[in-house]
Amino acid sequence: EPEVTQTPSHQVTQMGQEVILRCVPISNHLYFYWYRQILGQKVEFLVSFYNNEISEKSEIFDDQFSVERPDGSNFTLKIRSTKLEDSAMYFCASRSDRFNEQYFGPGTRLTVT
Amino acid sequence: AQSVTQLDSQVPVFEEAPVELRCNYSSSVSVYLFWYVQYPNQGLQLLLKYLSGSTLVESINGFEAEFNKSQTSFHLRKPSVHISDTAEYFCAVEPRNSGNTPLVFGKGTRLSVIA
Repeated sequence: EPEVTQTPSHQVTQMGQEVILRCVPISNHLYFYWYRQILGQKVEFLVSFYNNEISEKSEIFDDQFSVERPDGSNFTLKIRSTKLEDSAMYFCASRSDRFNEQYFGPGTRLTVT
Repeated sequence: AQSVTQLDSQVPVFEEAPVELRCNYSSSVSVYLFWYVQYPNQGLQLLLKYLSGSTLVESINGFEAEFNKSQTSFHLRKPSVHISDTAEYFCAVEPRNSGNTPLVFGKGTRLSVIA
């Protein structure tokens, strides 16, 4: 069964450093998403992406964040200068254009020290 | 805007006992409703969804949820739980016919099944 994959599973970085979280969505999906979950809190939407551009973004997704689909398979989330409060689990999700069902990856746990 | 409330953050239950995980939502438009499950150290997996039709939906592993429009609820139930059901359960909504809008999640309910 096709699945969304994410790398790395755990990333530790120092405050102020740049990080890139990588996702490989399901191959025939057209809609892509990033969500995050701070420990003990709810899963929050960051950004959605369709047709090579951002469709929607939340207030969390400020100028420090960017997304890119550099090739036909990868979907990346970049945080330019990490803050302590960026520590969270980051989930990538993808969806086809036919079904209302988002498929989630296993997540990347980002720890900012 | 939409919001989802899961009233119980933790639910301990003995094996083979029934369980109900509560979910209420608020929305000014019609929504699709979902339950996702997160097993330890894994990602979110879709458990079941309500899009239209029968208000009672079932999953392959014995869970069911009923959409109640008047009470704006989508509670998740299972008549007899197993140890393997221990996980975090998230209720989520998505506005209907809105294209590429994101899911709005509740805070989650941690179900712990005790032997």
